[in-house]
Amino acid sequence: DTAVSQTPKYLVTQMGNDKSIKCEQNLGHDTMYWYKQDSKKFLKIMFSYNNKELIINETVPNRFSPKSPDKAHLNLHINSLELGDSAVYFCASSQGDFGALTEAFFGQGTRLTVV
Amino acid sequence: AQKVTQAQTEISVVEKEDVTLDCVYETRDTTYYLFWYKQPPSGELVFLIRRNSFDEQNEISGRYSWNFQKSTSSFNFTITASQVVDSAVYFCALNYNTGKLIFGQGTTLQVKP
Repeated sequence: DTAVSQTPKYLVTQMGNDKSIKCEQNLGHDTMYWYKQDSKKFLKIMFSYNNKELIINETVPNRFSPKSPDKAHLNLHINSLELGDSAVYFCASSQGDFGALTEAFFGQGTRLTVV
Repeated sequence: AQKVTQAQTEISVVEKEDVTLDCVYETRDTTYYLFWYKQPPSGELVFLIRRNSFDEQNEISGRYSWNFQKSTSSFNFTITASQVVDSAVYFCALNYNTGKLIFGQGTTLQVKP
């Protein structure tokens, strides 16, 4: 049983396209996140949702829109993809915020390549 | 400013050597949490440990140990008797009750047979 699952694992698409990455967690956690890992392996938070409400929205282009239909799902939709969007995107979940819990679970990542 | 620095970009050791990965953090908060994650070549992020700022006890888990020192703002990670399977990128991270993790740049550890 995968705790945090993302689909797809790999995504290759052309510039200008719109794509979505799905994330689901079966841990009963309240909070979900999207992180971006760039080509230098640097990890940075993009968004955080708590019980379907947006809590954190870092400086991310408007082309990125998270959607949380329920607290077990947090999808990431990206419009008008650009070459610079190529990265690995990680979904994560935690009970409460990161400060209050014992650990945070990450999905296996989605490697997005924009050509 | 909140910041995590992993000064060692890459470390290479031979199997069975001990290796220490350094982590230095900056925060003005008195309550904060420190984490270590492992990212093996397969790409997933694996949680290793979480420490809160009020608990400076060192921790040992098998071949892994962690040394938390508030006086030097460091949270170093030691692998004893390293194995090839320890080869990975290791990330130190800081949370200060804002709901987000601040990651260091990562240290790539290569363990050669």
